[in-house]
Amino acid sequence: DVKVTQSSRYLVKRTGEKVFLECVQDMDHENMFWYRQDPGLGLRLIYFSYDVKMKEKGDIPEGYSVSREKKERFSLILESASTNQTSMYLCASSLGSPQGAGNTIYFGEGSWLTVV
Amino acid sequence: AQTVTQSQPEMSVQEAETVTLSCTYDTSESDYYLFWYKQPPSRQMILVIRQEAYKQQNATENRFSVNFQKAAKSFSLKISDSQLGDAAMYFCANNFGNEKLTFGTGTRLTIIP
Repeated sequence: DVKVTQSSRYLVKRTGEKVFLECVQDMDHENMFWYRQDPGLGLRLIYFSYDVKMKEKGDIPEGYSVSREKKERFSLILESASTNQTSMYLCASSLGSPQGAGNTIYFGEGSWLTVV
Repeated sequence: AQTVTQSQPEMSVQEAETVTLSCTYDTSESDYYLFWYKQPPSRQMILVIRQEAYKQQNATENRFSVNFQKAAKSFSLKISDSQLGDAAMYFCANNFGNEKLTFGTGTRLTIIP
């Protein structure tokens, strides 16, 4: 089974802190994703990575950055956390091209971040 | 704009009955995939069913089936013989021909014993 592991399930951080959310997948997937989930808004894509060191902005990248130094690991960074970044963050991965679009995207269990 | 819309924030169904969750989308793409994902309380999101847009036959996975109407841009999920374990948030998603998914806002399904 594919396993996407998010290292922290629950975090509480202070406004202005730098926050790292880590994600590791064990299926040699090319694609990795960070989504944010909020009630009434569904899941919104923050960043997408299709290869090591390659990234693409999603729909809501402001206030976030990412790092992918190794294929299996994709980190989400909040440079200066703000209260409006309190949310559930979901990491995901999938096979890339040429299998391409239509592949199942596998999700981690989520990281609940509260910024106070 | 490419959008996915779920107009039912909450639904409930009696155990063993059938329920249909609605989803519509907007795109000018002709080739794409549609998905239904399930997120049980405090658990990981998992794929329920997938439909390729160029396939006319509706996808089926055991008790789960879809009604895909491409011209109407509609993709509903039917759950037959509802079970307590079906209680979850259900998200409709479309990849709009690329490798990323755009999700709807979700429908919370409650199963009444």
